[in-house]
Amino acid sequence: DAGVIQSPRHEVTEMGQEVTLRCKPISGHDYLFWYRQTMMRGLELLIYFNNNVPIDDSGMPEDRFSAKMPNASFSTLKIQPSEPRDSAVYFCASSLGREETQYFGPGTRLLVL
Amino acid sequence: GESVGLHLPTLSVQEGDNSIINCAYSNSASDYFIWYKQESGKGPQFIIDIRSNMDKRQGQRVTVLLNKTVKHLSLQIAATQPGDSAVYFCAENRRDDKIIFGKGTRLHILP
Repeated sequence: DAGVIQSPRHEVTEMGQEVTLRCKPISGHDYLFWYRQTMMRGLELLIYFNNNVPIDDSGMPEDRFSAKMPNASFSTLKIQPSEPRDSAVYFCASSLGREETQYFGPGTRLLVL
Repeated sequence: GESVGLHLPTLSVQEGDNSIINCAYSNSASDYFIWYKQESGKGPQFIIDIRSNMDKRQGQRVTVLLNKTVKHLSLQIAATQPGDSAVYFCAENRRDDKIIFGKGTRLHILP
């Protein structure tokens, strides 16, 4: 398996623009997680899905953030409108179960100017 | 291994020596603990895990120790190599709750 795939790897955008981050989990994994990593706050869980259904989105910072999982092999994290404080590395991870090992993608490095 | 503001705690170890990275967790109800390694520019990578019914677990060159009395977790790396340079995170998984990551400890290998 190729592991968790994320795109794009790098994104530079201007404040106010919409940003869409994409993730393909490992085939057969029922759980998908979106994280944000910054130097100040470390690794933060934003939202996670079980069988394509959002289970806990309490980590989503604001209504500007939304996530979808239309099928078992694809998820998106959207920020609209983006702000400079959204600059971070966004990771997607997947696992077989909620308490099973999470496998992380390479991340998307987002810079909002 | 908790961070202070922008600075991660750093552990510097001579190549070939053993490394011990420590982590304090907060919730006595946590029942599953994981150590991750994150190299520069990459996502966290699973190293080893342990459940609360155990106090020690060994992998290849790594050992995790769990002390539930003081809510302390440690990762021991034997014969540290240059490739071990990374940031190491502990994570606790609370039953019926989300996984929580620590801020991380940077391991620096001295030649």
